[in-house]
Amino acid sequence: GAGVSQTPSNKVTEKGKYVELRCDPISGHTALYWYRQSLGQGPEFLIYFQGTGAADDSGLPNDRFFAVRPEGSVSTLKIQRTERGDSAVYLCASSLGATGGNEQYFGPGTRLTVT
Amino acid sequence: QKEVEQDPGPLSVPEGAIVSLNCTYSNSAFQYFMWYRQYSRKGPELLMYTYSSGNKEDGRFTAQVDKSSKYISLFIRDSQPSDSATYLCAMSFQRTGKLIFGQGTTLQVKP
Repeated sequence: GAGVSQTPSNKVTEKGKYVELRCDPISGHTALYWYRQSLGQGPEFLIYFQGTGAADDSGLPNDRFFAVRPEGSVSTLKIQRTERGDSAVYLCASSLGATGGNEQYFGPGTRLTVT
Repeated sequence: QKEVEQDPGPLSVPEGAIVSLNCTYSNSAFQYFMWYRQYSRKGPELLMYTYSSGNKEDGRFTAQVDKSSKYISLFIRDSQPSDSATYLCAMSFQRTGKLIFGQGTTLQVKP
């Protein structure tokens, strides 16, 4: 079946602009996670959803970052007033449940470059 | 100090060698311990996961967890050039699937 998909695969934007990154999880997966991976580092947790609600947004770095999942399926990560330090690969993952032990399936990521 | 520490390498070995990768962690509340493999410009894929302490074997891969030492390992036997990738350890708590990753170790297996 189809895996997790993310669009766009690459995004180049100018400092100060607004961007939206989209994640399509595996059908039937209720939990959806966003991570950010900087060059040479492991993924860093940003936020996760159980259904439509954000269950834990403790990893969002500041109020320029926001994510939604209005119908409990597709999710959008929104970044306002982008900064060069936001450049990274943004990874999305989904799983059947939101507790430990549920395997997370990752998408290929969106590579964001802020110039 | 990071919650999960992993030597970034790079690690280069000849084909057929036994590879040992490891991570240390500081939070004793972690219950699930995972190893992910990530190829260049791809998302991580789950290799092995272990609940609490113990060993788990799957083909050429063996995962070990020592909670008393807060230390986890992944062993790869008979390494192949196709094993060349970045290996990430990750951990989570019982109640949440939120993953805490190590930095990743880059492995190159030379033919």
